[in-house]
Amino acid sequence: QVTLKESGPGILQPSQTLSLTCTFSGFSLSTYGMGVGWIRQPSGKGLEWLANIWWDDDKYYNPSLKNRLTISKDTSNNQAFLKITNVDTADTATYYCARIGWDYWGQGVMVTVSS
Amino acid sequence: DVVMTQTPPSLSVAIGQSVSISCKSSQSLVYSDGKTYLHWLLQSPGQSPKLLIYQVSNLGSGVPDRFSGTGSQKDFTLKISRVEAEDLGVYYCVQATHFPDTFGAGTKLELK
Repeated sequence: QVTLKESGPGILQPSQTLSLTCTFSGFSLSTYGMGVGWIRQPSGKGLEWLANIWWDDDKYYNPSLKNRLTISKDTSNNQAFLKITNVDTADTATYYCARIGWDYWGQGVMVTVSS
Repeated sequence: DVVMTQTPPSLSVAIGQSVSISCKSSQSLVYSDGKTYLHWLLQSPGQSPKLLIYQVSNLGSGVPDRFSGTGSQKDFTLKISRVEAEDLGVYYCVQATHFPDTFGAGTKLELK
């Protein structure tokens, strides 16, 4: 059974760094072809892909945010991470992690950027 | 980036009615391996998205066969036969052929 769950700070101030963790089970990021992606959704709006990380540590970032994003993984602990630097109110959203292929998603974690 | 255009933005339906949602891409979604990485997701109210259909026409795990996907190249359609209450929510198409993955703006399916 594949599950994913996101965790994060809930609220942070502008200019801070947002750190998100995706803890998953039912698959391994050391398995050929596996990957985890991060997607976000501002309240009442659509979905925006942010970044992917693959089993071979290949990483891909949304060009519109590339300079602010860092994705990484801890294969031993079945976790993937996303950092977003210099956050702004525009980064307020629900953040999801999902297995690439988009067949399994986490429940999402709400992040609010506010002074 | 590939632009995914979904129509209509919203649909009001009665239970038991059949509906179709269109998704058009700004570029062909056929990848170099010959496959077309166009998927459909449903986000029920208050829930995370769920995969309905992958690679144009393949049903996701546990998805009822009331859902079907068709299309090719740049033009795709999701059809729901005999809508049930559990089908309400926002439907998204997403392409994973071209970098970066891009989503349609969504089609909200509501009860009439």
